Amino acid sequence: EVQLVESGGGLVQPGGSLRLSCAASGFTFSSYWMTWVRQAPGKGLEWVASIKQDGSEKYFMDSVKGRLIISRDSAKNSLYMQMNSLRAEDTAMYYCARGGEYGSSPFDYWGQGTLVTVSS
Amino acid sequence: SYVLTQPPSVSVAPGKTARIACGGNNIGSKNVHWYQLKPGQAPVLVISYDSDRPSGIPERFSASNSGNTATLTISRVEAGDEADYYCQVWDSTSDHFVFGTGTKVTVL
Repeated sequence: EVQLVESGGGLVQPGGSLRLSCAASGFTFSSYWMTWVRQAPGKGLEWVASIKQDGSEKYFMDSVKGRLIISRDSAKNSLYMQMNSLRAEDTAMYYCARGGEYGSSPFDYWGQGTLVTVSS
Repeated sequence: SYVLTQPPSVSVAPGKTARIACGGNNIGSKNVHWYQLKPGQAPVLVISYDSDRPSGIPERFSASNSGNTATLTISRVEAGDEADYYCQVWDSTSDHFVFGTGTKVTVL
């Protein structure tokens, strides 16, 4: 059974940092693109970043470029997102999702999410 | 940047048909995927590549894509279908995924 379990969310002050993790199981992690998607309170889904199977390609939404860093560790079957210079508008539930063979593949499995709150 | 527009809400009686539109410039030339999001649950992919149903998704869910509009259709609506639905495409011009604005389906 495919499982994605996010962790690392919490309350952080504006300008602070946080590292999100996503533990994957039930599939060959190294064979899939992986993605972070977020949903701010009362708002819609928003794609944040995606990373290729070997980490050689990464895509980011414009407003997080340079502040959020996506990475993965196939030895640990884990996806990460280092979040720096956090802003109030980064407050959201962050979901880890499995892509496919290609960067444009849809997200067929999602985790339950981890909540990030940026506030003083 | 590419924009996908959905109606904010759709209301439907049990047993009837709900149709959710997703508008985008020449969206018919792109692959459209649809997701269902219920409160407190992980999102679920209900339609991929315009009209394919992933394993486990009821046949009541179907979709089409042509011109400037993609449409998700839920037939014989049940109370359990009440959720937010989002369309999504890959914009190869920007190498970005784009989600629609989302539609809340209410079962009367």
